[in-house]
Amino acid sequence: GAVVSQHPSWVICKSGTSVKIECRSLDFQATTMFWYRQFPKQSLMLMATSNEGSKATYEQGVEKDKFLINHASLTLSTLTVTSAHPEDSSFYICSARRDTSRTEAFFGQGTRLTVV
Amino acid sequence: LAKTTQPISMDSYEGQEVNITCSHNNIATNDYITWYQQFPSQGPRFIIQGYKTKVTNEVASLFIPADRKSSTLSLPRVSLSDTAVYYCLVGDPPDKLIFGTGTRLQVFP
Repeated sequence: GAVVSQHPSWVICKSGTSVKIECRSLDFQATTMFWYRQFPKQSLMLMATSNEGSKATYEQGVEKDKFLINHASLTLSTLTVTSAHPEDSSFYICSARRDTSRTEAFFGQGTRLTVV
Repeated sequence: LAKTTQPISMDSYEGQEVNITCSHNNIATNDYITWYQQFPSQGPRFIIQGYKTKVTNEVASLFIPADRKSSTLSLPRVSLSDTAVYYCLVGDPPDKLIFGTGTRLQVFP
């Protein structure tokens, strides 16, 4: 099946620094990718929709200046957490669908961010 | 986007069949019903998708009544490795997926 890969799998950073998370669709093109955040014992919360070649669409309550999304190619989207704080510590997950598909979305393995 | 309601948790024993029902009263004509499985510290994994009636694949079956206001995921003969959270999602692909609370399935030996 199709594969979506995230990098890194985990990262620890200091408060005030920025962290970039990559999401790649390895064997298909994805004009649209989605970024989620998940806190322990909770469900996935959609943060934003990443669109290749255009600005991301953010869900209500998500700070676009804090969570920078860049979808530079049909196989790569990046999420940068700027000026990270401990409350940004979470599990970040991306997903993508084949452009031609009406079926399942594929999810990355997730990135565990810990801000100290 | 149609809201979904599913049980918070379920318990089962190895070898039993598990049925998880999801309610989606406001499902739209173009909406599909999709189920995902998630293990701790991993991204969700697709299980099955359907529009109406019954769909079966190598891991599960999905039953959808004629009014499509609910659906049931059936896992035959569960094993310990099926312990996970199961999410029912309703939407019109390739629209964004909104996750509900999910059902935490615990399988005991």
